[in-house]
Amino acid sequence: KQEVTQIPAALSVPEGENLVLNCSFTDSAIYNLQWFRQDPGKGLTSLLLIQSSQREQTSGRLNASLDKSSGRSTLYIAASQPGDSATYLCAVRISGTYKYIFGTGTRLKVLA
Amino acid sequence: EPEVTQTPSHQVTQMGQEVILRCVPISNHLYFYWYRQILGQKVEFLVSFYNNEISEKSEIFDDQFSVERPDGSNFTLKIRSTKLEDSAMYFCASNRDTPEQYFGPGTRLTVT
Repeated sequence: KQEVTQIPAALSVPEGENLVLNCSFTDSAIYNLQWFRQDPGKGLTSLLLIQSSQREQTSGRLNASLDKSSGRSTLYIAASQPGDSATYLCAVRISGTYKYIFGTGTRLKVLA
Repeated sequence: EPEVTQTPSHQVTQMGQEVILRCVPISNHLYFYWYRQILGQKVEFLVSFYNNEISEKSEIFDDQFSVERPDGSNFTLKIRSTKLEDSAMYFCASNRDTPEQYFGPGTRLTVT
């Protein structure tokens, strides 16, 4: 059964820091991995999607990497800003299925 | 940019009542999904729907739940007899032939 774990559960950093959020999954037979942002009480905003054949994806200050064989993905946020404060969710889509399995998230707070 | 929309944003209902949550997926999308997130817990997959039938469902999606696409634009989730533990945020998502699923803002269901 696929399990998705995110470390750390919470993170508080001063503005301007570069930071790394970690996601690990137990079954490497994935179709893709998606990183989402969730603001309190709100929906899910897709940040980056990495296909199983890809190693990384970049969008602005965000870079996500995928190491399928070791069951790990990282989300790198450069030059963090207070507006980046949110919960970041990692989700994997298992090969041969439609569903995403989500991690519990990392709650990020960027202090001004 | 097209978005998935959901109504209502918040629904309060009494235990045992039927509730219908509504979603309008992005117009040319073909695959539709429901997920839920109990407060403080992971986002969980409920069901996927394609070509007017359920393509996959989780063990959570029991006989109390049903989905329907009553017309060309709406996608609904019905809970026949709500329980306290059905209180959660319910997210609708859709996609076409791309791997990325696009999520709506969610409906907060409170069962009293």
